[in-house]
Amino acid sequence: QKEVEQDPGPLSVPEGAIVSLNCTYSNSAFQYFMWYRQYSRKGPELLMYTYSSGNKEDGRFTAQVDKSSKYISLFIRDSQPSDSATYLCAMRGYGGSQGNLIFGKGTKLSVKP
Amino acid sequence: DSGVTQTPKHLITATGQRVTLRCSPRSGDLSVYWYQQSLDQGLQFLIQYYNGEERAKGNILERFSAQQFPDLHSELNLSSLELGDSALYFCASSPLIGGGSYNEQFFGPGTRLTVL
Repeated sequence: QKEVEQDPGPLSVPEGAIVSLNCTYSNSAFQYFMWYRQYSRKGPELLMYTYSSGNKEDGRFTAQVDKSSKYISLFIRDSQPSDSATYLCAMRGYGGSQGNLIFGKGTKLSVKP
Repeated sequence: DSGVTQTPKHLITATGQRVTLRCSPRSGDLSVYWYQQSLDQGLQFLIQYYNGEERAKGNILERFSAQQFPDLHSELNLSSLELGDSALYFCASSPLIGGGSYNEQFFGPGTRLTVL
């Protein structure tokens, strides 16, 4: 079992839809959870960062972490064609070798006008 | 623009050859990370340097090596290249070592390596 599992999609939604992206993980040492967005032929850029469990909201984006279920989510409200990209979850533990970021394989999202 | 620069953008070479990829971190960032991204494996951490010293190793092959120079730029050397080494190679930088503090990694635009 991989440390981080993410459905690769592709996921296609109409403009204005609510998008739900998810990752599961197996390492209970993970404490820091991130979502990166990667446009085609570009480097990943950080969208959301969460420490431990809970929710975090930033504009149209909401990140949720449920450590008891080892499950994280990213919700995108009122999705726009400009949101079309690959979304990567990433996570790490606290210090030492646990401090290295482990990425999911990414979910490719397409928002149709 | 993340402020991290990588050269070259594209590299095409033959099996058995050696190449060097270069990364300049954001101004003030002391940590540099190298990642490999392929369709099969996704984004994989290779190695981290902090202020010139190796700090962490991931899934880096023995044919690959890296270093960070006094001006903080870093180079990733790939030797005895194989077809399977074709991938996107990203550099990222962050202000700190990592550990228990928030330490966002900023990614460069990547170098696309094609081994023929």
